[in-house]
Amino acid sequence: GDSVTQMEGPVTLSEEAFLTINCTYTATGYPSLFWYVQYPGEGLQLLLKATKADDKGSNKGFEATYRKETTSFHLEKGSVQVSDSAVYFCALSGGGADGLTFGKGTHLIIQP
Amino acid sequence: NAGVTQTPKFRILKIGQSMTLQCTQDMNHNYMYWYRQDPGMGLKLIYYSVGAGITDKGEVPNGYNVSRSTTEDFPLRLELAAPSQTSVYFCASSQTLAGGFYEQYFGPGTRLTVT
Repeated sequence: GDSVTQMEGPVTLSEEAFLTINCTYTATGYPSLFWYVQYPGEGLQLLLKATKADDKGSNKGFEATYRKETTSFHLEKGSVQVSDSAVYFCALSGGGADGLTFGKGTHLIIQP
Repeated sequence: NAGVTQTPKFRILKIGQSMTLQCTQDMNHNYMYWYRQDPGMGLKLIYYSVGAGITDKGEVPNGYNVSRSTTEDFPLRLELAAPSQTSVYFCASSQTLAGGFYEQYFGPGTRLTVT
């Protein structure tokens, strides 16, 4: 079945540092890929998405590129802020109606 | 436009009690989902629905039931609560992207403790 693997956390960075959170996937066919963010005490919010190979999703300074050859969708940001502290989930949709497959989440902590 | 709403936000149940978690969406989405989130884990799909009157099991359906009588509402029922059902429950709804993929919108969650 489909699966998503993302780097374990917590990841602790200083403000203005460069961020990379790795995500790789296993799926049959050509899934759509997503990054969701969960702020403390809240539900998940869609951060960005990519629906086909070589697509780049971007939002709020975050970017991720759908790499079919390496089955990856790594999340990057050039300069993180304290307000970026949250849990980030990589997820895929295989094209069916039966929900998303999520990674375990990466807790990001940004220190001032 | 409220999106996806869930009630209650918090609940403590005793073992063997029952309850219903409510979920409503106002985006006219056909697809709705229930997930549970356990500490340090991703979300696991409990049940989903592709439209009113149609429901199907996800990855972890045991101990739960659902119904979908309207497009807007998708309640989750726990009949005999067990400590293993202590979790945070998220409801979601989705629209179809080009190519048949589904972008999901999540509610704020219900934190349930069974003791």
